[in-house]
Amino acid sequence: QKEVEQDPGPLSVPEGAIVSLNCTYSNSAFQYFMWYRQYSRKGPELLMYTYSSGNKEDGRFTAQVDKSSKYISLFIRDSQPSDSATYLCAMSMQSGNTPLVFGKGTRLSVIA
Amino acid sequence: GAVVSQHPSWVICKSGTSVKIECRSLDFQATTMFWYRQFPKQSLMLMATSNEGSKATYEQGVEKDKFLINHASLTLSTLTVTSAHPEDSSFYICSAAGQAFYEAFFGQGTRLTVV
Repeated sequence: QKEVEQDPGPLSVPEGAIVSLNCTYSNSAFQYFMWYRQYSRKGPELLMYTYSSGNKEDGRFTAQVDKSSKYISLFIRDSQPSDSATYLCAMSMQSGNTPLVFGKGTRLSVIA
Repeated sequence: GAVVSQHPSWVICKSGTSVKIECRSLDFQATTMFWYRQFPKQSLMLMATSNEGSKATYEQGVEKDKFLINHASLTLSTLTVTSAHPEDSSFYICSAAGQAFYEAFFGQGTRLTVV
């Protein structure tokens, strides 16, 4: 079993839809959970950062972490064509100077 | 957020030659830099972790003599792919972490094609 599992998609939704992206993990030592957005041939950019369990909201994006289930989610409300990208979940045991373990990434297409 | 600049953004080289990729933290001191490799439709896989002034720590299965990492200053790390072969063709991405931040920042990535 891989440390981080993420459905690679592709996921295609109409503009305005609510998107739900998910990852599961096996290492209970992970404490920091992140979602990155990656456009084609670009480096990842950080979208959401969460420590331990709970919810975090930032504009149209909501991140949820359920450590008891080892399950994290990213919700995108009112999705836009510009949201079309690959979304990667990542996690680590410590912050900053610790390497991240990434999911495979889910490719999302938002159709106008 | 802080800025990490990676250069070049793409490079094509002949099989058997060496290629150097630079990763610079432009506005902060990066005590730790990470090098990842990403194959098409795959996740980012950590290759090595480097701390300024010390030898890099390589992940299992990554040849340290093939992928030379130098982190000589707090703002610059380099990855040199030596004697490159077509199977080394990939997207290489660095990230840098500093003491003042809780996250690491990513460079733009370098697409290496070995022909």
